[in-house]
Amino acid sequence: GQQLNQSPQSMFIQEGEDVSMNCTSSSIFNTWLWYKQEPGEGPVLLIALYKAGELTSNGRLTAQFGITRKDSFLNISASIPSDVGIYFCAGPHMFSGGYNKLIFGAGTRLAVHP
Amino acid sequence: EAQVTQNPRYLITVTGKKLTVTCSQNMNHEYMSWYRQDPGLGLRQIYYSMNVEVTDKGDVPEGYKVSRKEKRNFPLILESPSPNQTSLYFCASSSGTGGETQYFGPGTRLLVL
Repeated sequence: GQQLNQSPQSMFIQEGEDVSMNCTSSSIFNTWLWYKQEPGEGPVLLIALYKAGELTSNGRLTAQFGITRKDSFLNISASIPSDVGIYFCAGPHMFSGGYNKLIFGAGTRLAVHP
Repeated sequence: EAQVTQNPRYLITVTGKKLTVTCSQNMNHEYMSWYRQDPGLGLRQIYYSMNVEVTDKGDVPEGYKVSRKEKRNFPLILESPSPNQTSLYFCASSSGTGGETQYFGPGTRLLVL
C-alpha cells in the first residue's frame, strides 16, 4: 500500500542544535501534515501545508511542502528539552471508491540532551 | 474544550477476556478512526467510521470490532484479545472524510497476557 518514508528514524542531539527531518512518497500528495507525539500523549498537529513550495512556520518550527509534491521537510531551530517526542508526517491518500485516508510515516524519534 | 477522550488509559488483561475501549469526541465530527501504534511501525488504522452506522475496515482490522451508534462515540471492541494485540491505541476524529487533519485522543496502552 501507499507509504510515507520518514527519516531519520531517530535523532539524539544537544540542546541548542537545529534539527532537520523529512518525509518522502512515491506518489503526489496535496496536503502534508506534521504531528508531534509527546511521551504518554496522542499526536498533536504542528503544521499543515496545502500548496507545493509552501513554507510555513510555527515558532521555532518550519515546514516545507516540496516542489515535486512528493516530499516535505520539518526543521526545528535551537532545540530545547521539551522538543523531545516523536514527529510524524502524514498526508491524505485517495483510494478507489472516492474516500480519503490519512497515511502516516513511521515517525522520527527526537531526544534532546540538555 | 474541544477534545477526544479515551478510556481506560491503561489496561492489563488476559487472553480471551473481552474488553471495550471507549472513545468520545465533542467536536461534532463525522469521521472517527482507531489506530494502533507499535514500535517501528508508526500508526496503523484499525477501523474507521464516516458517520453514524457507517464503519469500515482499515489496514489491520483482524481481531477488532467497532460500532457507531452515536456521532460522538466510537468504541473499540476486542472480543477475544490475544498477546499480539498488546499495543498503544489511539482514537481520532476529523471534520472531513478522513483525509483532513485528525485530532487524537491521549491513547490507551493495552497489555494482553
